[in-house]
Amino acid sequence: EVRLVESGGGLVQPGGSLRLSCAASGFTVRKNNMTWVRQAPGKGLDWVSIIYNDSNTEYADSVRGRFTVSRDNSKNMVYLHMNSLRAEDTAIYYCARVGSSGWFFDYWGQGTLVTVSS
Amino acid sequence: SYELTQPPSVSVSPGQTASITCSGDRLGERFASWYQQKPGQSPVLVIYQHNKRPSGIPERFSGSASGNTATLTISGTQALDEGDYYCQAWDTSAGVFGTGTTVTVL
Repeated sequence: EVRLVESGGGLVQPGGSLRLSCAASGFTVRKNNMTWVRQAPGKGLDWVSIIYNDSNTEYADSVRGRFTVSRDNSKNMVYLHMNSLRAEDTAIYYCARVGSSGWFFDYWGQGTLVTVSS
Repeated sequence: SYELTQPPSVSVSPGQTASITCSGDRLGERFASWYQQKPGQSPVLVIYQHNKRPSGIPERFSGSASGNTATLTISGTQALDEGDYYCQAWDTSAGVFGTGTTVTVL
């Protein structure tokens, strides 16, 4: 059974840093593309980042240069390192698997809440 | 940047058909996907590659696309189909979500 579990969210001050983790089971992250999607309170879905199975990465313009996505194959985990956090980064952050046959997201975690506030 | 536009809300009577549109430049040439999200829950993939259904998704969910528009159709809508629906496509090297549509079953 495919399962994704995010952790690491919390309250952080503006300008601070946080690392989110996504623990995967039921499949191998290094063989799949993995993505992060966020949702601000009461708002829609917002794509954040992707790490490809070849380890290349892409980012939304709003986070490029501040966020870094990485992967630990030995732990079967994906991470989102977030620096220079702003109030507008406040959101639930979801980890999702990219479908093997195309650019869609077939499994999602339960999400972890990040609140950026002083 | 690429944008996908959806109507904010759609209302439907139980047993009737609900159609949700998603508009974007040459969307029919990209593969559109659709997600259902209920309050307090994570999104769930209901349609991918315009018209394919993942296992476990009821047959009443179907998708189509042509030109600049993709459409999600819910036939025989049930009360449990209420929620927010988002279309999604890929633009060069970035994911893009639609603005979202709230489906209300009256």
